[in-house]
Amino acid sequence: QKEVEQNSGPLSVPEGAIASLNCTYSDRGSQSFFWYRQYSGKSPELIMSIYSNGDKEDGRFTAQLNKASQYVSLLIRDSQPSDSATYLCAVNVARSSASKIIFGSGTRLSIRP
Amino acid sequence: NAGVTQTPKFRILKIGQSMTLQCTQDMNHNYMYWYRQDPGMGLKLIYYSVGAGITDKGEVPNGYNVSRSTTEDFPLRLELAAPSQTSVYFCASSYSRDIDSDQPQHFGDGTRLSIL
Repeated sequence: QKEVEQNSGPLSVPEGAIASLNCTYSDRGSQSFFWYRQYSGKSPELIMSIYSNGDKEDGRFTAQLNKASQYVSLLIRDSQPSDSATYLCAVNVARSSASKIIFGSGTRLSIRP
Repeated sequence: NAGVTQTPKFRILKIGQSMTLQCTQDMNHNYMYWYRQDPGMGLKLIYYSVGAGITDKGEVPNGYNVSRSTTEDFPLRLELAAPSQTSVYFCASSYSRDIDSDQPQHFGDGTRLSIL
C-alpha cells in the first residue's frame, strides 16, 4: 500500500462547479497535511495546510480532514480555468526521531469552459 | 528574500558522468529535501535532512548522495549518471519544531536533468 494515494485523474469539471479532490494515507500517526498546486513545468505551490480534524476554509478552497478514516480532501468552489493544474496531497510520516513529507502522485484537474 | 535557490536550471549529462545539483535556502529552515519528478508523475523523495550534519534516505536514494554541512546548503550528487536519472529535481525546505508537526515546504524552481 502506498503511503499517500490519490486518483490520478484527469478530473474534468465545468467552470463554476465544485471540484472535489481526495487523498488517503496509511500512517495513523500523521499530523500534518498539505495540498499543493502544480502547473505544468512549474514547481509546487502551497494551497492549504490542515492539522486538525474538520474543515478549513480559505477563499474558494476548503480542506477537509478525517484522521479516523485517514483521508484528506480539497474542495474548490466556483472553479475557474486557472484552477486547471495537478494537485498534490502531502502528508508527514513520523519515524523515530524525525519526520518526512511524502507526496501522492497527484490528481490532474481540468476545468472546462 | 530569495527563498530556495537551485542551480543549474538545466543540464545535459552523458552516461557515467557525475555532477552536483546545488540547493541553498535563506529562511533558516532546519529541514531540507530533495525530490525527483518524472514526467506525469508525482514527487518521489530521494534524501532529506533534519539539520546540519544529519541526512537520511527517502524512497529512491540509489544512485545519489547528499551532505548537509551548513543549515543553508543541501547539495545532491550523482556519481555515475544513468538514463533512469533523467528527471526534474526539486529541492525544498521547511521548518519543523518536532516530529509530529511540520510546516509547509518551500520549493525551488527545479533542475531539469537529461542523461544521454
